[in-house]
Amino acid sequence: GAGVSQSPRYKVAKRGQDVALRCDPISGHVSLFWYQQALGQGPEFLTYFQNEAQLDKSGLPSDRFFAERPEGSVSTLKIQRTQQEDSAVYLCASSSPGGAGEYPNYGYTFGSGTRLTVV
Amino acid sequence: DAKTTQPNSMESNEEEPVHLPCNHSTISGTDYIHWYRQLPSQGPEYVIHGLTSNVNNRMASLAIAEDRKSSTLILHRATLRDAAVYYCIRGNRDDKIIFGKGTRLHILP
Repeated sequence: GAGVSQSPRYKVAKRGQDVALRCDPISGHVSLFWYQQALGQGPEFLTYFQNEAQLDKSGLPSDRFFAERPEGSVSTLKIQRTQQEDSAVYLCASSSPGGAGEYPNYGYTFGSGTRLTVV
Repeated sequence: DAKTTQPNSMESNEEEPVHLPCNHSTISGTDYIHWYRQLPSQGPEYVIHGLTSNVNNRMASLAIAEDRKSSTLILHRATLRDAAVYYCIRGNRDDKIIFGKGTRLHILP
């Protein structure tokens, strides 16, 4: 597709439930990023992939958070034993290294996010 | 640490120019200045970027101070659809983006 696709758009989970959030990046984009955005705050970096390699996971808040991108395209962010503080919008972005091209092809392209509510 | 400073919010009248300031006093020589904006219920979208020279594109202009310690995003003629949170970010083109809180821009009809 033309943009970054995230699913589901909304997810309500009971506390303690495991969830999986999916990101379909732009075809051919090498780099993929996950961000967490709490209400009223800017997005916070979680993790970064270059192809299938997870090069930076410094932003993952706990070992309950796990991300994978096994074939270097689609990525899944998994949260185990969800807690109320995990409620947020989870954003995925993709890009080509070097930000090839100029507007509107430069930079990161973000999906619309998955809004996770833990009850 | 976003390493940039922006006002929390600004207001502007529709169809008037808007100047959004950003301070990045500790910027390094290789850091670009990027601007993204986030419309309600959407992910951030790229607006513009620059290194040293002023830049123009279809969305906006970016004016960079000669000492590179500050910059200004210019929307030449604001519309209601420009109401968003605007993020000023410094970093290498391929760095992970570190967002601050941004400037919430309100457009008055």
